[in-house]
Amino acid sequence: DAGITQSPRHKVTETGTPVTLRCHQTENHRYMYWYRQDPGHGLRLIHYSYGVKDTDKGEVSDGYSVSRSKTEDFLLTLESATSSQTSVYFCATLSSRTQYFGPGTRLTVL
Amino acid sequence: QQPVQSPQAVILREGEDAVINCSSSKALYSVHWYRQKHGEAPVFLMILLKGGEQKGHEKISASFNEKKQQSSLYLTASQLSYSGTYFCGTESSGNTPLVFGKGTRLSVIA
Repeated sequence: DAGITQSPRHKVTETGTPVTLRCHQTENHRYMYWYRQDPGHGLRLIHYSYGVKDTDKGEVSDGYSVSRSKTEDFLLTLESATSSQTSVYFCATLSSRTQYFGPGTRLTVL
Repeated sequence: QQPVQSPQAVILREGEDAVINCSSSKALYSVHWYRQKHGEAPVFLMILLKGGEQKGHEKISASFNEKKQQSSLYLTASQLSYSGTYFCGTESSGNTPLVFGKGTRLSVIA
């Protein structure tokens, strides 16, 4: 258990509204990741961070932005939520070549 | 590029064996295997680095053939607790994020 929490755990929002998901870790891991999980697609990388203020895009980054101002927090923002962003979002950290996943956030965009 | 997993789904009776395959079109540095139970986060099982090594975790083992860019996960004498979705994640070099396959759903029945 890498001490990863995600908030909120569930959220329902409307199309066009901004949404921010938070990932918090207590293990001081340098690398952090945001994935989305959809049926039939597995886990797809949205953005990742390799240090404070150091981030890079993943394969499905359009419509998402991230920020990391502290080692322990990695924020994912949906600038203007769309129904196609309805998904389960997982945060993960990396330690000794192992990724540890948070419990996930279920986001529904109506 | 997303690795291809096969089969997509498999149903076993307790005590039976199964093999899950993961193949990539790119040269691989490592292959990671994760298991996700329904409604939970993925959990790390094992990592295989290039060199053709084989590793084990309880009655679950895996092999990695770097020349064929393939890995296989072997589940021996399956137990009900093995049920879940198995994901392989591949890494093309030592510092690149994992790319996950779409998963293989394994159901073990009594």
